[in-house]
Amino acid sequence: QSVLTQPPSVSGTPGQTVTISCSGRRSNIERNYVYWYQQLPGAAPKLLIHRNYQRPSGVPDRFSASKSGTSASLAISGLRSEDEAEYYCAAWDDSLSGVVFGGGTKVTVL
Amino acid sequence: QVQLVESGGGVVQPGRSLRLSCATSGFTFNTYGMHWVSQAPGKGLEWVAAISYDGSNTYYADSVKGRFTISRDNSKNTLYLQMNSLRAGDTAVYYCAKVSGMRVAEGGLDYWGQGTLVTVSS
Repeated sequence: QSVLTQPPSVSGTPGQTVTISCSGRRSNIERNYVYWYQQLPGAAPKLLIHRNYQRPSGVPDRFSASKSGTSASLAISGLRSEDEAEYYCAAWDDSLSGVVFGGGTKVTVL
Repeated sequence: QVQLVESGGGVVQPGRSLRLSCATSGFTFNTYGMHWVSQAPGKGLEWVAAISYDGSNTYYADSVKGRFTISRDNSKNTLYLQMNSLRAGDTAVYYCAKVSGMRVAEGGLDYWGQGTLVTVSS
């Protein structure tokens, strides 16, 4: 049971927009930055969103994120086949003194 | 370019020990915090431990507290994870990762190694 809650899967057709939610608590999402990671099959995770909504260099602007209170979300617009991957949210948890991850959301492009 | 290369994984019996290493290059190692993150086969990411840039602060997941020790040698640009009293549930790929910001107590990890597989089995 992950501390941060994500839907197990979302799907969409090419060009559509999909959204992944991430629900947490005051001790993690509300008080700290949220990060999003993309993990392609067989690869290490890659930082997709930095500090709630910032995109690291090289990340397409099709990826956007937001945070409100104890929840955060990642949106992928103009969905492409190469976006098929597992996506994880993460944040520092002040009560646990550690990083907490969501359980991961598998994005499928139909 | 930034590189993180883990080593030391393998098959080990329950109750035994293993030490993982993460050799780094391409950045000023002694100015960044570092983390270990695990991923059991077919499962999600699980945070394991973190260490500040100078080693003065360490943090552990409850599941490994008292059994695992994170450390670093800034003269060798290398991160370590000493794993004692290993259990079947510790079986996973272990990734080392570099903190993206200035504080180790954040979830932002901008560079990851390729991972090393630890299998705990009799």
